[in-house]
Amino acid sequence: GDSVTQMEGPVTLSEEAFLTINCTYTATGYPSLFWYVQYPGEGLQLLLKATKADDKGSNKGFEATYRKETTSFHLEKGSVQVSDSAVYFCALLSGSARQLTFGSGTQLTVLP
Amino acid sequence: GAVVSQHPSWVICKSGTSVKIECRSLDFQATTMFWYRQFPKQSLMLMATSNEGSKATYEQGVEKDKFLINHASLTLSTLTVTSAHPEDSSFYICSVLAGANSYEQYFGPGTRLTVT
Repeated sequence: GDSVTQMEGPVTLSEEAFLTINCTYTATGYPSLFWYVQYPGEGLQLLLKATKADDKGSNKGFEATYRKETTSFHLEKGSVQVSDSAVYFCALLSGSARQLTFGSGTQLTVLP
Repeated sequence: GAVVSQHPSWVICKSGTSVKIECRSLDFQATTMFWYRQFPKQSLMLMATSNEGSKATYEQGVEKDKFLINHASLTLSTLTVTSAHPEDSSFYICSVLAGANSYEQYFGPGTRLTVT
C-alpha cells in the first residue's frame, strides 16, 4: 500500500538558518504530493503541492521538488523565521482516490 | 479555503460514556468529509469517509458501531465515540473535501479526547 516516510523531529533551528525536512514515499502509479503545515491550535493547512514528476511546489519561501527517480519530496526553506515554528506533514494522493496518506509529521521550532 | 470548525476543542469523559464531536463547514457546502485520528507523534490515520445523506465508509480496522458518524447536512458531520475507553483517548480531526473533482481538503483544528 501507499506510505510516506518523513524525517523524525523535533527539529530546532536558529532564525535565518536553512531548513530541510526529508520526505520519501511509496505508491502505485504517479501520486500527487503535498506538504501541510499545522500551527499551534489550528487545523492543517496546505502549504504546497506538486502533481507530476519534476514539478516544484512553492509557497511562503518554502519549496519542494517532486523527484520520481528518488521517490522524494523534500521540503526546503533558505531562511526560516520564528513564525515558521509548526508541525509539517508530507502527504500523498494516489490515483483517483480522495484519501490522503500522511507522514508522521515533523515538529519545527525556530529560535530567535 | 473553507473554514472548518470542530466542537469541542477538548473533552474529558469517564469510561463507558459516549462523546459526540461536531465538525462544521462554516462557509462551504461539504458533500464529503473525512474523520482522522492522530496519536502522539504519529501520523493522521483515516478512520472514515462521510458522504452527506448516506452511510459513512469506514477504513479497515475501525469499528463502525463504536465510532458512529452522521453527515445529515452539507455543513455538519458528527463523530460519536460510544462506550469510550482509555484507549480511545486521541486527537480527532475532521476535514472537508473542496469539491467532487478536487483533491484538496480543508482541515478542522482537531478535538482532544481524554477518557479516564
